[in-house]
Amino acid sequence: AQKITQTQPGMFVQEKEAVTLDCTYDTSDPSYGLFWYKQPSSGEMIFLIYQGSYDQQNATEGRYSLNFQKARKSANLVISASQLGDSAMYFCAMRVSGTASKLTFGTGTRLQVTL
Amino acid sequence: DTGVSQDPRHKITKRGQNVTFRCDPISEHNRLYWYRQTLGQGPEFLTYFQNEAQLEKSRLLSDRFSAERPKGSFSTLEIQRTEQGDSAMYLCASSDALATGRSYTDTQYFGPGTRLTVL
Repeated sequence: AQKITQTQPGMFVQEKEAVTLDCTYDTSDPSYGLFWYKQPSSGEMIFLIYQGSYDQQNATEGRYSLNFQKARKSANLVISASQLGDSAMYFCAMRVSGTASKLTFGTGTRLQVTL
Repeated sequence: DTGVSQDPRHKITKRGQNVTFRCDPISEHNRLYWYRQTLGQGPEFLTYFQNEAQLEKSRLLSDRFSAERPKGSFSTLEIQRTEQGDSAMYLCASSDALATGRSYTDTQYFGPGTRLTVL
């Protein structure tokens, strides 16, 4: 079975600072994908970034980067130059090759960006 | 390119009533997924379609739940004899399985969700 653990229920960061949101995962399948989604208060899940288990380099998308440490089974999201609009819930999720369908989500981290 | 849309956005119903939700995926996406999200939790997988075929159902999907995707485009999720425990956000997502060479790497794009409240 797959499991995603997000140990930070809430985080605060000042505007323009960088913040790291933690995610650890557990799977015995060597082929998997890791995803981060943002969920504002409106409820829609917004895709941010993807990392494949065979990718050699850490994924980056604009201000988002993924710190992928395969041996530690961690996939932390780094947001640089935080903006007020980054305040939201952030979910880490995983799919493995044996279950081509579902995403398994963590419980999320609520990020609050302050002035 | 429009995103995933869901209708209605909010639904309030009385216990025992039937409800139906609709999801319109991104056009030409061949995979469609339903998830349920309760307060303070991440979304949980309910079911998944590839074109019109329902290929997987979670154990969360009791006999009172049924989903269809009759022409491989929009999908409906029906809950019969609703219970208070069905109160949740119901999220739909779609993906293009042909976009990548691996079955687990296509990105799922989510709709705004339908928030169900059962009184």
